[in-house]
Amino acid sequence: EDQVTQSPEALRLQEGESSSLNCSYTVSGLRGLFWYRQDPGKGPEFLFTLYSAGEEKEKERLKATLTKKESFLHITAPKPEDSATYLCAVQPISGGSYIPTFGRGTSLIVHP
Amino acid sequence: ETGVTQTPRHLVMGMTNKKSLKCEQHLGHNAMYWYKQSAKKPLELMFVYNFKEQTENNSVPSRFSPECPNSSHLFLHLHTLQPEDSALYLCASSPGQGAATNEKLFFGSGTQLSVL
Repeated sequence: EDQVTQSPEALRLQEGESSSLNCSYTVSGLRGLFWYRQDPGKGPEFLFTLYSAGEEKEKERLKATLTKKESFLHITAPKPEDSATYLCAVQPISGGSYIPTFGRGTSLIVHP
Repeated sequence: ETGVTQTPRHLVMGMTNKKSLKCEQHLGHNAMYWYKQSAKKPLELMFVYNFKEQTENNSVPSRFSPECPNSSHLFLHLHTLQPEDSALYLCASSPGQGAATNEKLFFGSGTQLSVL
């Protein structure tokens, strides 16, 4: 069974204080790992897709990396507007289903 | 505007009521999804439609009844719900499932449902 575990559950940072969010996964074969951002009262918004170990993608202050067992979302010099819940999801490559499995998310609060 | 519109944004209903949630996507996608999001829980997949055909029913109770009249519209009909069904119901779309696709999902803003 595919499993996705995100840590920490919640994270509070001061503005400018860099940190990382973790997504550990267990899947028989990985087609893709997705990161989403969700603001309160809104649906998740797509950030990145990673396909293979060693791959990295960047967008503004965010950088996502991938190994065979986990992914990190690095946040460099965060700003208050980066406050949101960050969701990780994995899409299996086998089993006949292409439905992503989501983690519980990390709630990030960045204080000014 | 994400291209996926859900109505209503908020809904309060009694356990004996019948109501419907509506989702419309303007992205030309062929797959549409219903997810349930409860506090402290991962997103729970409920239903998937691919080219108007239901391809996934994730053991959802029959008090939830989906309808997909075309690739752009998706409904979730609700009847005799329980208080534990209170949650954020999210609709999503994607280009369409297939062996070569990586299904990035586009979500609506959701309907916050409260069952009294």
